[in-house]
Amino acid sequence: DAMVIQNPRYQVTQFGKPVTLSCSQTLNHNVMYWYQQKSSQAPKLLFHYYDKDFNNEADTPDNFQSRRPNTSFCFLDIRSPGLGDAAMYLCATSGRTISSETQYFGPGTRLLVL
Amino acid sequence: AQSVSQHNHHVILSEAASLELGCNYSYGGTVNLFWYVQYPGQHLQLLLKYFSGDPLVKGIKGFEAEFIKSKFSFNLRKPSVQWSDTAEYFCAVTSSGGYQKVTFGTGTKLQVIP
Repeated sequence: DAMVIQNPRYQVTQFGKPVTLSCSQTLNHNVMYWYQQKSSQAPKLLFHYYDKDFNNEADTPDNFQSRRPNTSFCFLDIRSPGLGDAAMYLCATSGRTISSETQYFGPGTRLLVL
Repeated sequence: AQSVSQHNHHVILSEAASLELGCNYSYGGTVNLFWYVQYPGQHLQLLLKYFSGDPLVKGIKGFEAEFIKSKFSFNLRKPSVQWSDTAEYFCAVTSSGGYQKVTFGTGTKLQVIP
């Protein structure tokens, strides 16, 4: 009965080698979000999609890109991972973008950069 | 810009003790407030939220939180904790009327000792 699924749960990549993290959802939600969470820090929003409309946060580095080929799937691409990109990456969904809406999170993908 | 402060980073309690986790936010306008919980090995999930009406909000598993506008606070409480409440708790805020950008606090790790 998983609602937001993230694969893989752990990802190891090399410095500078592109990596893609995936997220899928069975909730049929319009909105999908990607957060970065470093150790002992708050989750930080990178960007979100409302349907096919992409919304980037102003301080998200260009190194981070995203794709949403359909309602169910969303991908996070890190073009040239640096050591500072090692973190937990959380995917979340919501039905709408109104501010009182609950977000539903996946289990996260922990990225390690060697 | 809005911000959220959780002053207790790590709390250790014995079973049956009462719990209060502090959350203060900084934002000049109307807000929606959330508490999310992350149990060990699980994903972030909603515990409770406030967006209007009664400032005392009741959530799952016996948790409640009180919105005190004059103090910019939304503290989480539970009269008697159980070992199964061991988790990390995140306070979060969105600006009412805005789109659903969630600002999270840094989290409080609660450890309940049997």
